[in-house]
Amino acid sequence: GAGVSQSPSNKVTEKGKDVELRCDPISGHTALYWYRQSLGQGLEFLIYFQGNSAPDKSGLPSDRFSAERTGGSVSTLTIQRTQQEDSAVYLCASSLGGTGDEQYFGPGTRLTVT
Amino acid sequence: TQLLEQSPQFLSIQEGENLTVYCNSSSVFSSLQWYRQEPGEGPVLLVTVVTGGEVKKLKRLTFQFGDARKDSSLHITAAQPGDTGLYLCAGIRGANNLFFGTGTRLTVIP
Repeated sequence: GAGVSQSPSNKVTEKGKDVELRCDPISGHTALYWYRQSLGQGLEFLIYFQGNSAPDKSGLPSDRFSAERTGGSVSTLTIQRTQQEDSAVYLCASSLGGTGDEQYFGPGTRLTVT
Repeated sequence: TQLLEQSPQFLSIQEGENLTVYCNSSSVFSSLQWYRQEPGEGPVLLVTVVTGGEVKKLKRLTFQFGDARKDSSLHITAAQPGDTGLYLCAGIRGANNLFFGTGTRLTVIP
């Protein structure tokens, strides 16, 4: 079956521009997560969607970051007025239920802000 | 401030050697997971440990959860080049709080 997919795989943008990153989770998975990974290091939690509940946005680093999940499926992470420190790999994961369930990760989107 | 610290951060060993990676915290977790990530891919779950003192084995990999559920270790016996990758621990607290460790990048030289 299809895994988690993300697009684009690579994105180069100029400082100050807005970017949208897309995540298609595994069908039937109610939970969706966004993480940021810098320089192959650990993952930084950004936001968590679970079913129809209000998302947990506690990890978003600034108000330039926002995310939506439409119809309980596809999610879009938007970064407005990008800065060079936003350069990183953005990973999306989905799981069948809550946090304790196995998370299946997409390949990530590598964002470079010049 | 990282909730979970991993050590070492980098490890380069010869094929056939044994190694241990540590994941430490001052916080208690309800369970802890270990993931491996290869370049250009997302992390893949290796194991979940739930009970304090629990030991799980996955072929040449042995995972242990500390008695107090604050730390964990991953031991690899007779490492192979295919073990090369970034190893990440992740601790679970509460209903939806998953905290990833700082990562250990392992290179096994043939």
